Amino acid sequence: KQEVTQIPAALSVPEGENLVLNCSFTDSAIYNLQWFRQDPGKGLTSLLLIQSSQREQTSGRLNASLDKSSGRSTLYIAASQPGDSATYLCAVRNMDSNYQLIWGAGTKLIIKP
Amino acid sequence: KAGVTQTPRYLIKTRGQQVTLSCSPISGHRSVSWYQQTPGQGLQFLFEYFSETQRNKGNFPGRFSGRQFSNSRSEMNVSTLELGDSALYLCASSGLDGLYEQYFGPGTRLTVT
Repeated sequence: KQEVTQIPAALSVPEGENLVLNCSFTDSAIYNLQWFRQDPGKGLTSLLLIQSSQREQTSGRLNASLDKSSGRSTLYIAASQPGDSATYLCAVRNMDSNYQLIWGAGTKLIIKP
Repeated sequence: KAGVTQTPRYLIKTRGQQVTLSCSPISGHRSVSWYQQTPGQGLQFLFEYFSETQRNKGNFPGRFSGRQFSNSRSEMNVSTLELGDSALYLCASSGLDGLYEQYFGPGTRLTVT
């Protein structure tokens, strides 16, 4: 059964720092992996989608990598800003269980001005 | 291109009543997924519909049901409401065969008193 873990659950860093958020999964038979951010009380915003055949995707200051063999993905945020403060979630689309999305619990990120 | 829309945005109901929530996906998207989000349990998958057929289902009681119409709009219904059903209900749509990037609506905040 696929399990997705995000560690740490919370992270606080000073503005301007580069940081890495982690996502690990137990079953490498994934179709794709997606990173989202969620602001308090709001819906989720899609950040990056990585297909299983890809190693990384970039959008602006964000870079997501995927290593299927080790069951890991990282989200790299460069030059962090207070507006980056949010909860970041990763989700894997499992090839077993009818391609259902399996979610991590998220990392709450706080960027201190 | 309009995003995912959910109606109503806020709802207050009494224990024992029933409620229907609506979701209109992005134009052309045939997959609609529903999630429940609470502070204690995080994001939990309810069900996914693709081309009017339920493709996946989470572990929720039969009081939670859904359907999808031929225009891909979806509704979810909760009968015999309980206090614990108070939550943010999120809808997401996905294009092509429904296995790609998920786009979320703003959610419906349901409060059961």
